[in-house]
Amino acid sequence: GAVVSQHPSRVICKSGTSVKIECRSLDFQATTMFWYRQFPKKSLMLMATSNEGSKATYEQGVEKDKFLINHASLTLSTLTVTSAHPEDSSFYICSASPRGTSVQETQYFGPGTRLLVL
Amino acid sequence: GENVEQHPSTLSVQEGDSAVIKCTYSDSASNYFPWYKQELGKRPQLIIDIRSNVGEKKDQRIAVTLNKTAKHFSLHITETQPEDSAVYFCAAGDSTLTFGKGTMLLVSP
Repeated sequence: GAVVSQHPSRVICKSGTSVKIECRSLDFQATTMFWYRQFPKKSLMLMATSNEGSKATYEQGVEKDKFLINHASLTLSTLTVTSAHPEDSSFYICSASPRGTSVQETQYFGPGTRLLVL
Repeated sequence: GENVEQHPSTLSVQEGDSAVIKCTYSDSASNYFPWYKQELGKRPQLIIDIRSNVGEKKDQRIAVTLNKTAKHFSLHITETQPEDSAVYFCAAGDSTLTFGKGTMLLVSP
């Protein structure tokens, strides 16, 4: 149990276009999901906390209008990178827990989405 | 906000040796300290965690120690095996997590 999926696994897009990444909890309901960004050989950086039915909570320095998060159902959160630029190229990964909304519950990570902006 | 430092960035050991990875944190409000293992091309997986009301926790070959006064916590892996080779991340926080930069552990047969 506790499987988190992401789609697509990788995407290449042109500069200026928008890209949507989906994060799904396959066998549990997740009222809270976390979105991270991971640079090559670097750590995970929390971007935002996605809350079902309400606005996401963004970390300091993360542009809300650049990284749109929508958590429309209990099993799906989407991250849209708007007007993508090469510096947005990165590995985006989400996590969620079947045990509750707190990050202190065991987090299950999605497989990640590698974004390359040309 | 929280700042987590992790050392070393790379660690090479022989199979059977012990490996120790250390992290320090800055925010005294942090009360949850998980460790994740990320194999190449795969997602991070929780291997062990500790909360601030506990000083040490052990799970088979893996143990974590926490010193709240000094604001540091460590991961100890005993009897290392080649399959332990991966990047290990520490994290600290309360309602959100701040991750360390990771330690690449290489266990040679």
